[in-house]
Amino acid sequence: DQQVKQNSPSLSVQEGRISILNCDYTNSMFDYFLWYKKYPAEGPTFLISISSIKDKNEDGRFTVFLNKSAKHLSLHIVPSQPGDSAVYFCAAINTDKLIFGTGTRLQVFP
Amino acid sequence: GAGVSQSPSNKVTEKGKDVELRCDPISGHTALYWYRQSLGQGLEFLIYFQGNSAPDKSGLPSDRFSAERTGGSVSTLTIQRTQQEDSAVYLCASSTVGGNTEAFFGQGTRLTVV
Repeated sequence: DQQVKQNSPSLSVQEGRISILNCDYTNSMFDYFLWYKKYPAEGPTFLISISSIKDKNEDGRFTVFLNKSAKHLSLHIVPSQPGDSAVYFCAAINTDKLIFGTGTRLQVFP
Repeated sequence: GAGVSQSPSNKVTEKGKDVELRCDPISGHTALYWYRQSLGQGLEFLIYFQGNSAPDKSGLPSDRFSAERTGGSVSTLTIQRTQQEDSAVYLCASSTVGGNTEAFFGQGTRLTVV
């Protein structure tokens, strides 16, 4: 049972445009959400997070939106840069355990 | 150390052999996680430690997989009688006590079973 779902395995965006990565979850008990970025041959690195008491968190070019009623969160990257090309994982925390989605591969082309 | 350290970085083993993968978490981090990523797949949860105890072993794929953590620090993931489907990148992460903090990952161990 996949509690955290990323239904788009890949996304291609032109440099300078907005990238929107989506994530859905099924467990209403999740109270903290995170996005990780992973380059090939490296471990995932933390990007941005949001608590369930908020609906938006912004850090530079990265903004995460949370819609609790829809059990949906999204990561917006604007403007997108070629260096943003990576696999992005969303994750949720439930009783200290991190549960990851399957990832979305973002490719930003010039 | 400054980050999570995993060893070896690469391991090639023959089918049927046992392997041990090691994880050195960030000093002071009480929570430790093991995940694996098979080719083309997402991050699959294996096991979670809080201190030396493992409150959640639900992700271990079979009884050939086991993990331990000693002294609240180093963890070892052991795979007995390896099979080709065990080939994957095994990732370890650690975080401070309490749920709402990010976890920091090691570089992973790429295991290839031939």
